[in-house]
Amino acid sequence: DAGITQSPRHKVTETGTPVTLRCHQTENHRYMYWYRQDPGHGLRLIHYSYGVKDTDKGEVSDGYSVSRSKTEDFLLTLESATSSQTSVYFCAISRDHSNQPQHFGDGTRLSIL
Amino acid sequence: DQQVKQNSPSLSVQEGRISILNCDYTNSMFDYFLWYKKYPAEGPTFLISISSIKDKNEDGRFTVFLNKSAKHLSLHIVPSQPGDSAVYFCAASEGYGGATNKLIFGTGTLLAVQP
Repeated sequence: DAGITQSPRHKVTETGTPVTLRCHQTENHRYMYWYRQDPGHGLRLIHYSYGVKDTDKGEVSDGYSVSRSKTEDFLLTLESATSSQTSVYFCAISRDHSNQPQHFGDGTRLSIL
Repeated sequence: DQQVKQNSPSLSVQEGRISILNCDYTNSMFDYFLWYKKYPAEGPTFLISISSIKDKNEDGRFTVFLNKSAKHLSLHIVPSQPGDSAVYFCAASEGYGGATNKLIFGTGTLLAVQP
C-alpha cells in the first residue's frame, strides 16, 4: 500500500471556522492531489501540486487553498468553511506525470454545521 | 457537464459469473483510462489502466476494453467473487506523458456479487 496518511480522519466544525486537512506521504512522489467526493459527482479535483511550492487549481477550487512546503506534506485549507464544503476529502499521490496511476489515502470525512 | 459517465448506478451478479461495468466519455482528447475500486470508509484503490494506443489490457481476473470510436470502455471481472463487491470508478486523463495527469472521474457503479 502507498504510504499516505490523512489527518484528521473525521472532523465536525461550524460554518465560518477555518479548517486545515493534512496529507502526508512517505513515497517521495512528486505529484500530490486533493479531491472531494460527493454523491452524484464521483471524485472532483480541488487542487494539485507538482512539486514543493508548486500548486495549481483543479475543477472545484473556489473556497480552498493549498500549501506544500515539503515534498511529503500537502495541506488543504478552508479559510471560512461553508455547509457546501461538507464532503469526504481524499488525497492522492503519483510518481510522475507519464501515465502513472494515482494512489489514494483513506479520506477525511468533514461535516460543517 | 459530465465528461466521464457511468450510467449504471448499480449492478448485481452471481458469484462465479462475469461482471461487466461500463463507462462512456465525451472528451476525444482523453488518452489514459483507469478503473478504481472503493470499499466504504477507504480510499479508492487502483485496479487497472489502459492507454489509447491499446484496445485491451488484462490483469488476472480483470480486463479493460477500450473502444475509441465509440468513446466507451468496459471492465470485465471473471469470475466474480463476493469480495469484489464495491463501488467501481472509471477515470480518464488527457496528455499522454503530459504535465499534470489530472483525472476526471465518473460517478461510480456499485457492484454487488451475490454468493
